[in-house]
Order: sequence, then C-alpha cells, then structure tokens
Amino acid sequence: AQSVTQLGSHVSVSEGALVLLRCNYSSSVPPYLFWYVQYPNQGLQLLLKYTTGATLVKGINGFEAEFKKSETSFHLTKPSAHMSDAAEYFCAVSDLRAGTALIFGKGTTLSVSS
Amino acid sequence: NAGVTQTPKFQVLKTGQSMTLQCAQDMNHEYMSWYRQDPGMGLRLIHYSVGAGITDQGEVPNGYNVSRSTTEDFPLRLLSAAPSQTSVYFCASSYSGLPASYNEQFFGPGTRLTVL
Repeated sequence: AQSVTQLGSHVSVSEGALVLLRCNYSSSVPPYLFWYVQYPNQGLQLLLKYTTGATLVKGINGFEAEFKKSETSFHLTKPSAHMSDAAEYFCAVSDLRAGTALIFGKGTTLSVSS
Repeated sequence: NAGVTQTPKFQVLKTGQSMTLQCAQDMNHEYMSWYRQDPGMGLRLIHYSVGAGITDQGEVPNGYNVSRSTTEDFPLRLLSAAPSQTSVYFCASSYSGLPASYNEQFFGPGTRLTVL
C-alpha cells in the first residue's frame, strides 16, 4: 500500500532563511509525487510534481524538490523564505487504485517570521 | 473559466439531517474526487469518479453517497449527518490523459461543514 509521511507538523523559519519540508513515501511501484500548498481558508494549489525523468523538480514561487529513490524521500526546499510563504504544505502520492486521486500526508504548517 | 466551484461555502446541520454538497467544473475533466480535511489528518479520499456514470469508494466512504450523471457535476450527499462529519470538504478534478497519475488535480475552494 502507498503512504506518505511528513516529518514535522510545524516548521518555523526567519525571512530569508532556507525552507526545508520533509516528505517520505512508501510505494511498491515507481511513485508519482506531488507537493501542494494551502493558504488560509483556500483550496489547494499545486507547487510541483515528479512523475519520471529529472529527479530535481522545480515548481512555482521558487520551490523545488528532489526525488531520492534510495531514501524514499521527496523533500521540498526554497533557498530564501518570504513572508508570503506562510501556509500549510502537503506532500502526496498518486493512489494507483483510484484514477488520479491522491494519498496525502498530514501536512506541515510553515511559519515565517520577520 | 471558473475552474472547480463548490457550494455552499459554509453549512451548519443538526444531527440526522441530510444535505448535498455541490461541485461543478468547466474544464471538461473526466476525473473528479471528493476529499475531507480534518486537523492533523491531511486530506482523505471519500469517493471518486472516472467519468459520467462511474463512481467508486475511497478511503472514508461511510455516510456519504455520490452520483455522476454529467461530466460537469459531482454532488456529495450526506445521508444522515453526524458530528463526526464535521470537516472541510474539497472537490477536485483532473484530465484523464494517460498515464492517469501524471495529471494535476485542480481543487475547489472547499465547503466548511459543522454538524451539531
């Protein structure tokens, strides 16, 4: 069965600092992995996705993630945090039994202080 | 293009009442899904549909019913509301191009439901 684990339910950084949000997955087949962002009282927006090919994936708003098969990880990073990055971030893996539906991690709330 | 729309935005029900959460998309997407979001739980799949007339259960289907009579609409029905169904509900849609898992899910703004 597929699953996603996000390490750390809450991450706090200072403006301008590195952002690192951790995600590990479990899958018996090559996974399709996604990061979504949710701003307060809004729906989810896709940040980036990994399907096949290049293991370093660039997304919107300066975020990127690296697929590491040997570590079963897909951590999200951004070199320099901005106040507008404060949101909840979800890592997800495709649920191969359910069309294009996703299995989500429990989420990580990112706080950015000035 | 309105994308994925959901109504209502907020709803308060009493235990035992029934209601329908509406979801519509104007992107001609084949795939549609319903999720519920609870604090500390992420999003969990309730039901999904791979096309008009075809639906299936997700991880947490109990107490919910769906149908898909058109490509555009995918309503979620609560048969007899319970306090455990207090949650935020999101509808999502995506293209059906192969392989299916390549396709981004587009989410609606959500419906915040409280059951007293």
